[in-house]
Amino acid sequence: GAVVSQHPSRVICKSGTSVKIECRSLDFQATTMFWYRQFPKQSLMLMATSNEGSKATYEQGVEKDKFLINHASLTLSTLTVTSAHPEDSSFYICSARTSGGDYYEQYFGPGTRLTVT
Amino acid sequence: GENVEQHPSTLSVQEGDSAVIKCTYSDSASNYFPWYKQELGKGPQLIIDIRSNVGEKKDQRIAVTLNKTAKHFSLHITETQPEDSAVYFCAASRRYGNKLVFGAGTILRVKS
Repeated sequence: GAVVSQHPSRVICKSGTSVKIECRSLDFQATTMFWYRQFPKQSLMLMATSNEGSKATYEQGVEKDKFLINHASLTLSTLTVTSAHPEDSSFYICSARTSGGDYYEQYFGPGTRLTVT
Repeated sequence: GENVEQHPSTLSVQEGDSAVIKCTYSDSASNYFPWYKQELGKGPQLIIDIRSNVGEKKDQRIAVTLNKTAKHFSLHITETQPEDSAVYFCAASRRYGNKLVFGAGTILRVKS
């Protein structure tokens, strides 16, 4: 149980184009999903927190107009990188949080490798 | 806010030996402490977690200990195997779903 999928796993796009990444919780409902960015050999950097049906909360320094997040259902969140540039190249990972009981376990997707040329 | 420090940054052990990774946290209100294993090119995988109401939890070769007074928790892997080689992250959060704060990660290499 507690499987999170991401699509695509890898994407290469040209500078100036937009890319959409999907995150799905396959066997549970996730009221909250998170989007992280990870640079090589570094820890996970939280970009934003999204709750189903409401606007995402972005971390300080993350441009909300560049990284558009939509959490339209309890099993799907999307991250759109708009007008991508080479510096946006990174490993993007989503996670989904269960909501049963007192504590909230968080499960991660397999990640999406974005390369902007 | 919460700050999590993780040590060591790299750890090399011989196959069959034990490995210990330690984390300290700053927020005394934190009470959920998960550990994640990340293999190259993949997302982190939750391997074990501990809540503040217990001091130790075990799952086969993996165990986690928590010292709330000292604000530190540790991951113990016994009888290490080459497939244990990965990056391990500790994290901490408060109850009721506050965001996780991650440590910097530990690269574990198990030499056969």
